[in-house]
Amino acid sequence: ETGVTQTPRHLVMGMTNKKSLKCEQHLGHNAMYWYKQSAKKPLELMFVYNFKEQTENNSVPSRFSPECPNSSHLFLHLHTLQPEDSALYLCASSQGGQGAGTGELFFGEGSRLTVL
Amino acid sequence: AQSVSQHNHHVILSEAASLELGCNYSYGGTVNLFWYVQYPGQHLQLLLKYFSGDPLVKGIKGFEAEFIKSKFSFNLRKPSVQWSDTAEYFCAVTPYGNNRLAFGKGNQVVVIP
Repeated sequence: ETGVTQTPRHLVMGMTNKKSLKCEQHLGHNAMYWYKQSAKKPLELMFVYNFKEQTENNSVPSRFSPECPNSSHLFLHLHTLQPEDSALYLCASSQGGQGAGTGELFFGEGSRLTVL
Repeated sequence: AQSVSQHNHHVILSEAASLELGCNYSYGGTVNLFWYVQYPGQHLQLLLKYFSGDPLVKGIKGFEAEFIKSKFSFNLRKPSVQWSDTAEYFCAVTPYGNNRLAFGKGNQVVVIP
């Protein structure tokens, strides 16, 4: 049990579908993140939210749309994805945001996305 | 922006052998350094971290890492590995006071019983 729960664990979708990934943290943290993990590549930071406000969008295509309704929940809405978007999407949380963080992140188990 | 280099992506060794994984980063200022581990089918979890003080830090499961500022390095070591150490290991760095972690590509370590 990590304190960060992601659903679904596996998702297969077509390029014209719309789906969402969900992340919930039970750690009382105030910052949440989406990372993309692809084979043979470093983890890529996608989005950062501090106190529900997006503080970073790391040049992510608009077909990925994040939503953070409160400090405990984070969504990643997906539409018209490409096969190269197939990857493991990791959610993480931390105590402290930009300028006040230690960099210690707590990760969920990830959502394995396959785009056909 | 900071970057992290990890070499020897695939490492295969026998139980009781010693393990050392290299990590070099590029950033000129003060940094916080981390090693994360991802066991098969599990989430990424923190192995050890360096913020300040003694450059030799000890983590869980007998792992340690040494921060050498002059070499911009934070190498991970374990004197005697076990089969259960089979995992992927990621080095990460963030500027001090920042949560914007940059990760290396990872080292896939396989320990043969």
